[in-house]
This record gives sequence, structure tokens and C-alpha cells, in this order.
Amino acid sequence: DTAVSQTPKYLVTQMGNDKSIKCEQNLGHDTMYWYKQDSKKFLKIMFSYNNKELIINETVPNRFSPKSPDKAHLNLHINSLELGDSAVYFCASSQDGDGLRETQYFGPGTRLLVL
Amino acid sequence: GENVEQHPSTLSVQEGDSAVIKCTYSDSASNYFPWYKQELGKGPQLIIDIRSNVGEKKDQRIAVTLNKTAKHFSLHITETQPEDSAVYFCAASDSGGSNYKLTFGKGTLLTVNP
Repeated sequence: DTAVSQTPKYLVTQMGNDKSIKCEQNLGHDTMYWYKQDSKKFLKIMFSYNNKELIINETVPNRFSPKSPDKAHLNLHINSLELGDSAVYFCASSQDGDGLRETQYFGPGTRLLVL
Repeated sequence: GENVEQHPSTLSVQEGDSAVIKCTYSDSASNYFPWYKQELGKGPQLIIDIRSNVGEKKDQRIAVTLNKTAKHFSLHITETQPEDSAVYFCAASDSGGSNYKLTFGKGTLLTVNP
């Protein structure tokens, strides 16, 4: 069974469109994350939610809006897509507790291409 | 904020040789240092990690060393195999704060030639 899953795996869309990426984890973890990996493979944190509350927001344009309906899901909605949004987006999760939260488990990624 | 530098950006070795990847970090408060392996088309997978109260940790062919004074840590892979070929990322985190943010290095593309 997949621990952290993302849908869709591939997303090709036109500039100006609005799209969503979904993430689910079945690990019972309390904290979920969104990362962006650019064409040079650089991984950068975008958002983090703990028990549905936003705890990290790394100066991401407000066209990006994360939504956590429950602690097992963290979705990413992107408005007015731009060419520079093309990247691979990874969801991750970790467990609360001393010595646990730092260990993050990643999903398979969503490859977004904006034309 | 934390800054993690990783070298080399690419590394090519012959099967059976050892591979070493080095990282430095800037924030002395960082105390957790994981290494991730990312195969083509997949998400990063944790392969080993080390905390600041330990100087070295081994798991079969993989070892990580940490020098807190110099603020650097290294990944050592012995007896490399073609399936070790991947992009490897180091990261650093300050688990003493309220946000357990991982700051990643820029990655090392390791190629193991048969």
C-alpha cells in the first residue's frame, strides 16, 4: 500500500488555468508538507500543515493555496498558472513526537507542465 | 535561515568503488541531518539520518559522519552497485524549534558504472 500518494502524477495545462493537486497519507501522521522541485532538482519547502493548521509558509505567491480538509489530506490549489510554475511538486508527511517529526516521507510527485 | 551546501554536484564511480558526498550547513542550531535518495521519476526516500549527539552512524554499506564543530556531514557508500545510481540529497533541520523544516542541499547525481 502506498504510504503517501499524490494525484495526478502528470498535469499538463495552459497558462492562466487553475489546477489542484491532491495528497493523501495513510501513515497516521500529523504533519504534511508541499515541496517544489525545479528543473535543476532543487527541493524547496512551500507549506507545512500540522493537524490541519498552517505552520510553515515559505513566501510562496498567493496564487498557491494549500487546503487540509483533515490531517490525512493536504491539497494544493494553484490559480492563474504561469510558465514558471512548471516543476515537480512533492507531498510529504511526518509524525509528531520528539525525534519523529523531522523524518519526512515523500510521495511520488506530480509533474506539472504549464504551456 | 539555514543554508546547506552539497558537493560534488555529479559523481561517477566504478562498481565496487566507494563514493563520498559532503555537505556543510550554516545554522549551529541544526541538530538533525538526513540523507535522501531519489531515483529517476520517484520521490526522495530516506536512506540514513544522524542526530547531533552522534558522530557516526552505519547501515550496511552506507555510513554518515557528522562534525558539529566544523558544521559538516558526509555520506559514505562502500562497494557501490549500479542500483546505487541516483540523486542524493543531504538536509538539515532544527528540531528544537516549533517548525521542523528541512533545508536541502542541491543534490549529487551519482552514477555507478558497471
